Amino acid sequence: EDQVTQSPEALRLQEGESSSLNCSYTVSGLRGLFWYRQDPGKGPEFLFTLYSAGEEKEKERLKATLTKKESFLHITAPKPEDSATYLCAVNSGNTPLVFGKGTRLSVIA
Amino acid sequence: DAGVTQSPTHLIKTRGQQVTLRCSPKSGHDTVSWYQQALGQGPQFIFQYYEEEERQRGNFPDRFSGHQFPNYSSELNVNALLLGDSALYLCASSLVSEETQYFGPGTRLLVL
Repeated sequence: EDQVTQSPEALRLQEGESSSLNCSYTVSGLRGLFWYRQDPGKGPEFLFTLYSAGEEKEKERLKATLTKKESFLHITAPKPEDSATYLCAVNSGNTPLVFGKGTRLSVIA
Repeated sequence: DAGVTQSPTHLIKTRGQQVTLRCSPKSGHDTVSWYQQALGQGPQFIFQYYEEEERQRGNFPDRFSGHQFPNYSSELNVNALLLGDSALYLCASSLVSEETQYFGPGTRLLVL
């Protein structure tokens, strides 16, 4: 059974304090790992798709990396507007997307 | 370029009633998936539709059913509502040839 575990559950950062969110996964044949951002009461907003170990993608202050067992979402010099829940999901072909519970990020000015 | 749209935005029902939620996919997309998200949890896959057929299904009872129309829009129906069905229902669209899914804003369902 495909599984995704995200850590930490919650993270509080000062503005400008860089950090990383972790996504560990077990899946039979990875067809893609996905990062989404979700604001309270809204639908997830697509950030990145990673397909193979060693792949990296960047968007503004966010950088996603992938290994054979986990993915990291690095946040460089975060701003208060980066506060949200960040969701990680995998696709193995068994289920289109299996999600973790997310990491709630708060960035304090 | 219109993104994924869902209606209604909010809905209040009582136990035992039936509900229908609607979704229009992103322009150019042919595949629609539905997810249930309880408070504080990640979304859980309900089912996926392509070419008006249910392509895959998650671990949800038969009370949850769906439909896809020729214009690729979709409906989610839930019968005999339970208190535990209260959640944010999310629709996502994609191309059948690609893995990345794009989500709509969701429908918040409250069952009293």
